[in-house]
Amino acid sequence: GAVVSQHPSWVICKSGTSVKIECRSLDFQATTMFWYRQFPKQSLMLMATSNEGSKATYEQGVEKDKFLINHASLTLSTLTVTSAHPEDSSFYICSASRGHGGNTEAFFGQGTRLTVV
Amino acid sequence: GENVEQHPSTLSVQEGDSAVIKCTYSDSASNYFPWYKQELGKRPQLIIDIRSNVGEKKDQRIAVTLNKTAKHFSLHITETQPEDSAVYFCAAPSRNDMRFGAGTRLTVKP
Repeated sequence: GAVVSQHPSWVICKSGTSVKIECRSLDFQATTMFWYRQFPKQSLMLMATSNEGSKATYEQGVEKDKFLINHASLTLSTLTVTSAHPEDSSFYICSASRGHGGNTEAFFGQGTRLTVV
Repeated sequence: GENVEQHPSTLSVQEGDSAVIKCTYSDSASNYFPWYKQELGKRPQLIIDIRSNVGEKKDQRIAVTLNKTAKHFSLHITETQPEDSAVYFCAAPSRNDMRFGAGTRLTVKP
């Protein structure tokens, strides 16, 4: 199967600082990358969809100026949580897709647990 | 956008019993239907998938059935064990996205 690596797996930061999370597809070129947020005991909440070389598409209610997404290549997407606050503490997971249309497959990174103190 | 509906949201079974989770999708172009298992604090792991050219696929205690006409697919776990306790997600592609169900929290009581 395809491998998606997400880094870091956990991070603790001070309120007001920024945190960058990387998502890499290691053995395939990802058509699209997705960023999710997950609160305890809740489902995956799609935050944004990004394609290489273009602006990310954010889901309703997700602040694009707070959650900056850069998709520099077909194998790397980054999510930067800017001016983090305690309420941003959550589990962030990326996924990378390959294939197109009705045959799209998705593979997940290992997730990043962000704690803002 | 296209949606994936998943039921039930929680499911509790006795060890050894079967568990069934159902999903419906709306994009008729979807051809690939994966199921993921997520343990607490970990990434969702693909446990089984099915493509639209078959109606059923089985892997040991896990099976998935697909009814493309009705646009629904189900996950069946037989002889459940406590280690099956987790959150399970179905998914279906729509255009170039993957849409996920809301998840089912399965608890297997010993």
